[in-house]
Amino acid sequence: DIVITQSPDSLTVSLGERATINCKSSQNILASSRNKNYLAWYQRKPGQPPKLLMYWGSTRESGVPDRFSGSGSGTDFTLTISSVQAEDVAVYYCQQYYVNAITFGQGTRLEIK
Amino acid sequence: EVQLVESGGGLVQPGWSLRLSCTASGFIFGDYAMSWVRHVPGKGLEWVSFIRAKAYGGETHYATSVKDRFIISRDDSKSIAYLQMNSLTTEDTAVYYCTRAGSYLGYYFDYWGQGALVTVSS
Repeated sequence: DIVITQSPDSLTVSLGERATINCKSSQNILASSRNKNYLAWYQRKPGQPPKLLMYWGSTRESGVPDRFSGSGSGTDFTLTISSVQAEDVAVYYCQQYYVNAITFGQGTRLEIK
Repeated sequence: EVQLVESGGGLVQPGWSLRLSCTASGFIFGDYAMSWVRHVPGKGLEWVSFIRAKAYGGETHYATSVKDRFIISRDDSKSIAYLQMNSLTTEDTAVYYCTRAGSYLGYYFDYWGQGALVTVSS
């Protein structure tokens, strides 16, 4: 299986600061023929189901604020929140869907200082 | 509005079976792959299984941890996806989410149900 490793495990930032979450895949998840990275990002708040934020590595899901952005290619990816708001407190997961055996990262907890 | 509603969760003993259902509405169910993802309390997300749309073969795939114990199926006439869980162990205790695959090109999950809690305990 493709192993997805996120860093850091937890992150504490002040309101309005930038937050950066990294996601590393044990294998390349870029389909060169389609020029697409098979990576998604999700936000999970307590008591709620996960919410899709980004797919194809950098495509923002409809309705997601533009302070969220995704970047990277191949094996290394980043989710950036340009100016963290109180409502962004959550656990963030990345997921690869390059192969049938879909895998998630272990999650990164974002808290406000 | 897309809605996914899980049912069938509960408390069972190790070795028992349970069947989860996911009733979908707000989209053409038969056009989409469906999947189950679980969240173990205090831990992360784990993909469990998916089933392709019939137009793409209807094939099924499973995580290694549930292969040969769980069976995913779908009834497009009723817009329901199922997860038959057999030989349950305490490690299967989790909230099980029904999800829709956002694209036939790649299975990211654009809609999630509220989840069904499955507790396996003696």
